[in-house]
Amino acid sequence: KQEVTQIPAALSVPEGENLVLNCSFTDSAIYNLQWFRQDPGKGLTSLLLIQSSQREQTSGRLNASLDKSSGRSTLYIAASQPGDSATYLCAVRENNNDMRFGAGTRLTVKP
Amino acid sequence: DTGVSQDPRHKITKRGQNVTFRCDPISEHNRLYWYRQTLGQGPEFLTYFQNEAQLEKSRLLSDRFSAERPKGSFSTLEIQRTEQGDSAMYLCASSLETGIDEQFFGPGTRLTVL
Repeated sequence: KQEVTQIPAALSVPEGENLVLNCSFTDSAIYNLQWFRQDPGKGLTSLLLIQSSQREQTSGRLNASLDKSSGRSTLYIAASQPGDSATYLCAVRENNNDMRFGAGTRLTVKP
Repeated sequence: DTGVSQDPRHKITKRGQNVTFRCDPISEHNRLYWYRQTLGQGPEFLTYFQNEAQLEKSRLLSDRFSAERPKGSFSTLEIQRTEQGDSAMYLCASSLETGIDEQFFGPGTRLTVL
């Protein structure tokens, strides 16, 4: 059974810092990996999707990498802003159609 | 708004009552998913439709839960004889089978069972 772990569970940084969020998964036979942002009490906003054949994806200040062989993905956020404060979720999709989510990293960016 | 929509956004009910939630996917998306999320956890998969066919059901989906997508467009999730443990955020997502099949999520329905 696929298990997804996110470390750290919570992170607090001053505005302007670059930061890395980590995601690990136990079964490397994945279809894709997706990073989401969730604001309190809200739904999920897709940030980046990396297909199994890809190594990374970039969108603006965000960069996500994927290393299937080691079962790891990282989300890099450059020049963090208070508006980046949210919970970041990593989700792994296998060749069936359900996604396995980590418990998330709660990020606080202090002005 | 062309995103995934869910109704209602919040539902408070008493234990033992039945509740029904609705999800309207992005119009051209043929796949629709239901997830449940409890506080401090990531979403957990419940069930998945391709067009009107329900193709997968999680073991989390007890016999008190039923989901339908009768015309391959909107979907409903019904919970019968609600229990306090059913209190959670119920999330719906949709995707298009072709291409990268990226899932897009709705705002969720927050259920509180008293």
